[in-house]
Amino acid sequence: QKEVEQDPGPLSVPEGAIVSLNCTYSNSAFQYFMWYRQYSRKGPELLMYTYSSGNKEDGRFTAQVDKSSKYISLFIRDSQPSDSATYLCAMTLNDYKLSFGAGTTVTVRA
Amino acid sequence: DAGITQSPRHKVTETGTPVTLRCHQTENHRYMYWYRQDPGHGLRLIHYSYGVKDTDKGEVSDGYSVSRSKTEDFLLTLESATSSQTSVYFCAISDPTGQGALSLGYTFGSGTRLTVV
Repeated sequence: QKEVEQDPGPLSVPEGAIVSLNCTYSNSAFQYFMWYRQYSRKGPELLMYTYSSGNKEDGRFTAQVDKSSKYISLFIRDSQPSDSATYLCAMTLNDYKLSFGAGTTVTVRA
Repeated sequence: DAGITQSPRHKVTETGTPVTLRCHQTENHRYMYWYRQDPGHGLRLIHYSYGVKDTDKGEVSDGYSVSRSKTEDFLLTLESATSSQTSVYFCAISDPTGQGALSLGYTFGSGTRLTVV
C-alpha cells in the first residue's frame, strides 16, 4: 500500500463547476499538508499548504484536512479553463521529506 | 522557475551511453532532489542531497548516480542509459530549516524530457 493514495482521474468538469480533489494517507504522524498544481510540460508549483487539521481558504481554493480520517481535500470553486492541470497532494512530518500522491488530472471545459 | 534551472530541457540519447543532467539553483537551499515522473507512477525520488558532498538514495536509485560539489549544482548521471529510463526528470530544492510551513515545500525546476532510443 502506498503511503499516499490519490485517484489519478482524469476529471472533466464544465466551466463554473466545483472541483473536488482528495487524498488519503496511512501515516498518522503527518503534520503538514500541501497541494501542488502542475501545468502540462511544466514543473509542479506549490498551490496551498496547511498545518494539522482544519480548513484554509485562498480565493477560489479551499484546502481541508481531516486527520481523524487521514483524508485531505482541495476544492476549486467557479472553476476556469485555466485551472486545467494535474493536482498533486503532498505531506510531511516536519522535515525535508515530502510524500506525494500520484496526481489527479483535471480538465475544465469552456 | 525562479531560482532553479535544469539543463538540458530535452535530450535524446542512445541505449548504453552515459547522460548527465544538471540542476542549478540560486536560492542557497540546503536540500536538492532528483525525481522522475512517469504516467501511472507519479513523482518518484531518485536521489537527494542535504549538503555539499552529502547525498542519499531515493526509492528508484538503481542505474543513477549523483554528485554535488557546490551548493548550487546537483548533477544526475545515468551511467549507461536504458529505455526504461525514458522519462521526465525534475529537480527540486527546499530549505526545511527555514521559518514556518512554507519552508517545507519544494520548488521544482521545469524538467528535462529524456528519451533513450
